Amino acid sequence: DVVMTQSPLSLPVTPGEPASISCRSGQSLLNRNGHNYLAWYLQKPGQSPQLLISFASNRASGVPDRFSGSGSGTDFTLRIRRVEAEDIGVYYCMQALHTPVTFGPGTTVHIK
Amino acid sequence: EVQLVESGGGLVQPGGSLRLSCAATGFSFDDYAMHWVRQTPGKGLEYVAGINRNSGSTGYADSVKGRFTISTDNAKNSLYLQMNNLRAEDTALYYCAKDLVPRGLLWDAFHVWGRGTMVTVSS
Repeated sequence: DVVMTQSPLSLPVTPGEPASISCRSGQSLLNRNGHNYLAWYLQKPGQSPQLLISFASNRASGVPDRFSGSGSGTDFTLRIRRVEAEDIGVYYCMQALHTPVTFGPGTTVHIK
Repeated sequence: EVQLVESGGGLVQPGGSLRLSCAATGFSFDDYAMHWVRQTPGKGLEYVAGINRNSGSTGYADSVKGRFTISTDNAKNSLYLQMNNLRAEDTALYYCAKDLVPRGLLWDAFHVWGRGTMVTVSS
């Protein structure tokens, strides 16, 4: 199985300040169709996960533009331009190119 | 509105069986790959199984291979997970999720999630 790692695992943030999370995969997620099969999710307390980013950099519908994704191959980053209080929760990266699908361990974002 | 509603969870003894269901509404069910993901309370997300009607493929986590079977009933717009020979470590909240891209040949991203159904394996 493809191992997904995230750093940091805990991220204290200050509202209004930027934040970023790194995700690394054990194998390349770049398909020959040119797409990276890497997604980012946010799970807010008590809720189901919600899709933020697909194909490494495509923001899902309804996701604020302060969220952005970048990277290719094995190294990816999720950035929040200016953190808001509603952004707290656990962020997961997930690879879908290799079977089985695998998730990162999650990064807990909390207010400093 | 796109909606996924899981059901069928409950308390079962080790070695027992359970069948989870996921009712899908608000989208063309046949066109999307579907998945089961589980989460032990307080822990991370673990992929369980997926099915892609377009490519004819299924995929399973190693931890459930040979014990769990994913299937669909297109006439009922429903996804199922047959779980046999359950173990204590299968205790989790089980989510149903749909892919983002219709008629894709690969899994892509889980666009919509249900609220989950809880499975507890204990004697």
